[in-house]
Amino acid sequence: KQEVTQIPAALSVPEGENLVLNCSFTDSAIYNLQWFRQDPGKGLTSLLLIQSSQREQTSGRLNASLDKSSGRSTLYIAASQPGDSATYLCAVSRASGTYKYIFGTGTRLKVLA
Amino acid sequence: EAGVAQSPRYKIIEKRQSVAFWCNPISGHATLYWYQQILGQGPKLLIQFQNNGVVDDSQLPKDRFSAERLKGVDSTLKIQPAKLEDSAVYLCASSRPLGHWDTEAFFGQGTRLTVV
Repeated sequence: KQEVTQIPAALSVPEGENLVLNCSFTDSAIYNLQWFRQDPGKGLTSLLLIQSSQREQTSGRLNASLDKSSGRSTLYIAASQPGDSATYLCAVSRASGTYKYIFGTGTRLKVLA
Repeated sequence: EAGVAQSPRYKIIEKRQSVAFWCNPISGHATLYWYQQILGQGPKLLIQFQNNGVVDDSQLPKDRFSAERLKGVDSTLKIQPAKLEDSAVYLCASSRPLGHWDTEAFFGQGTRLTVV
């Protein structure tokens, strides 16, 4: 049974810092991994999708890496801003069958001005 | 491209009452998901459709929850009767068909349900 863990659960940093959010999963047979952002009271916004054959994806100040063999992904945020404050969730989908997404519990990020 | 639409945004009901949520996915997305997100937790899949067929409903409490996706487009999720522990945000998502090279999931804003 796939389990997804995100560390740390919460993080508070001053503006301008580069930071790393971690996601680990127990079953390496994944189809893809997706990082999401969730603002309070809102739905999920897709940030980056990494296919199982890829090692990383970049979008602006965000970079996500994937190491399937070790069951890890990291989300790197460069030059953090107060607007980055949100909960960040990672989700993995299975390599076969229903491809359903299994989510971690998220990292609550607060960037202080 | 329009996103995933959900309604209502908020709902407060008393326990043992019934409630229904509606979702309209992104046009052309064959796969539709309903997730339940309890405060402080990650979303948990309740049911997954491919067109109008159920692909996975293993975590749907079938004694009180039901969902349908008529004509393979819109979907409704119903709870009857509601319990206090059903208080959560209900998220609908859609993606391209299963097995497609790109199954990026797009989520709606969610419906926040409070059962009192």
